[in-house]
Amino acid sequence: DGGITQSPKYLFRKEGQNVTLSCEQNLNHDAMYWYRQDPGQGLRLIYYSQIVNDFQKGDIAEGYSVSREKKESFPLTVTSAQKNPTAFYLCASSKGLAGATVGNEQFFGPGTRLTVL
Amino acid sequence: RKEVEQDPGPFNVPEGATVAFNCTYSNSASQSFFWYRQDCRKEPKLLMSVYSSGNEDGRFTAQLNRASQYISLLIRDSKLSDSATYLCVVFRNQFYFGTGTSLTVIP
Repeated sequence: DGGITQSPKYLFRKEGQNVTLSCEQNLNHDAMYWYRQDPGQGLRLIYYSQIVNDFQKGDIAEGYSVSREKKESFPLTVTSAQKNPTAFYLCASSKGLAGATVGNEQFFGPGTRLTVL
Repeated sequence: RKEVEQDPGPFNVPEGATVAFNCTYSNSASQSFFWYRQDCRKEPKLLMSVYSSGNEDGRFTAQLNRASQYISLLIRDSKLSDSATYLCVVFRNQFYFGTGTSLTVIP
């Protein structure tokens, strides 16, 4: 089955630790995204990537880092510099961004719930 | 001004009712439009794309009004299983999400 997987589903971090969230897709999508969702709030864009070895900051990139070494994979590292990392993290992918109209829907993974202890 | 704005609700409706959600977007250059459904503590799932001519999928109808810069979602014959948060999403170089409208269908 084609889709997006994220792991782990739940993650607990001690203050001062870096943690990496995994995101893999087998939809052959060029674009991938990381969002953060806090209770009762909308999705906020952390980083996105339109192509391998390239990525751009979103609205709330501070304290986060990403890599895009393979088309299928877009891991997110939450660093100790992120002051309030407890949240629901969602990875998504779509066919592309440049000139995209019909057919460029985003599809989401099941998410990772990160809690800082 | 936010790119996408939705009435957060909550909307509480009886089974069988018809309910409509509206969403406004701020940039007239927005290119494509979507409705997503998000269940509690789950990921958003695509409900339907919104086309310029309007489109229907079973009990769900989506409309786009470019002149007034809003999109709408109509749900007919509401089911208990329709209870969820509905997210309006607009694409213009990147995806912009509304904060969602909460719907509870009551038996």
